[in-house]
Amino acid sequence: DAGVTQSPTHLIKTRGQQVTLRCSPKSGHDTVSWYQQALGQGPQFIFQYYEEEERQRGNFPDRFSGHQFPNYSSELNVNALLLGDSALYLCASRTFLLGRDTEAFFGQGTRLTVV
Amino acid sequence: DAKTTQPTSMDCAEGRAANLPCNHSTISGNEYVYWYRQIHSQGPQYIIHGLKNNETNEMASLIITEDRKSSTLILPHATLRDTAVYYCIVGSGNTGKLIFGQGTTLQVKP
Repeated sequence: DAGVTQSPTHLIKTRGQQVTLRCSPKSGHDTVSWYQQALGQGPQFIFQYYEEEERQRGNFPDRFSGHQFPNYSSELNVNALLLGDSALYLCASRTFLLGRDTEAFFGQGTRLTVV
Repeated sequence: DAKTTQPTSMDCAEGRAANLPCNHSTISGNEYVYWYRQIHSQGPQYIIHGLKNNETNEMASLIITEDRKSSTLILPHATLRDTAVYYCIVGSGNTGKLIFGQGTTLQVKP
């Protein structure tokens, strides 16, 4: 089992550009969430996708958008990049079981640097 | 905002048990306590979670007080590789959202 895989591992972009990050969930998982982690801070929830729809959203502007594909993989898109968007972007996957909470598994993240 | 309070940092001697406390006084009846750790900018690693009973797995034990307002993560025999930031999170899996605080930086020393 490959676990949660993210690509690319590192990325450098210029202010104003757009970026797309990709995530493949752990086998058997159908729900994907994205987090942003600034240096020295805990991860912050961006949004969650289930059945190809955004189900929950954190306090992030509309410049952050996403997509989930029929195979449960997901993309995070960020438009009009700002210097403050520089961070580690984490993808987490899980599946929900009736009657009990299940753990989320995280990928290794994509390190985005905006210059 | 995070619903948990943790000490900023702790030290532990290698081979000894590491006991990491967490306060979650506003926890709701259907919310679980999750523990994750993060080693130097890698993705967070799941450790353990529980609702009200104590839990144990191959990595750690989770002790939840009877009133569920606090818990302790126990690493029974800490090694240098256990040096990491440990996050205590309260939430319901049904919402899918994990709210991370600042965590506890555990330094295991030889």
